[in-house]
Amino acid sequence: ILNVEQSPQSLHVQEGDSTNFTCSFPSSNFYALHWYRWETAKSPEALFVMTLNGDEKKKGRISATLNTKEGYSYLYIKGSQPEDSATYLCASINTNAGKSTFGDGTTLTVKP
Amino acid sequence: NAGVTQTPKFQVLKTGQSMTLQCAQDMNHEYMSWYRQDPGMGLRLIHYSVGAGITDQGEVPNGYNVSRSTTEDFPLRLLSAAPSQTSVYFCASSYRVLGEQYFGPGTRLTVT
Repeated sequence: ILNVEQSPQSLHVQEGDSTNFTCSFPSSNFYALHWYRWETAKSPEALFVMTLNGDEKKKGRISATLNTKEGYSYLYIKGSQPEDSATYLCASINTNAGKSTFGDGTTLTVKP
Repeated sequence: NAGVTQTPKFQVLKTGQSMTLQCAQDMNHEYMSWYRQDPGMGLRLIHYSVGAGITDQGEVPNGYNVSRSTTEDFPLRLLSAAPSQTSVYFCASSYRVLGEQYFGPGTRLTVT
């Protein structure tokens, strides 16, 4: 993996469904992986900062895991609500780059 | 704290005009960056700065200049606007060079 890739590109679920999506990133020279939530007409806001292999972070119904050896992170949303509708971005930071590289995001739509 | 502020919020330029997008933060953050967001393309890094007096190019620097004379301010200059620069521009800052970023509200620029 040379770039940061997110899948799927978009997701439509019903209220109450649980869902998950993937961020793949270069595993060499890994420093950190950030998840952001980006609501329509707003700015991205940081959800999680993940640095260690095996990290698991949780905020309410949203959680994330990190595998730095194979270069992927999963974001899970349990019992999706309409207010979870947003684009979820991940950004990979490598020690030799000194800057964040963003994926294109997964756009989640939760139907009531 | 006001956080990260950007002005203007909206701007229409004619091809060939120049302008400066302003970005300021009051959190004493070292790291500041400029992104552009185009439909279906996520956030692409234009320029970034790891501290006052230090700037570097991102993925898409052509047609843009930056300077960082103070910790607080990081203006982005469009030298000769082109329709391809029609986009939404986000400024962001972080406390550490590799920390999670705080985004401004964005500037929607249209070049006709």
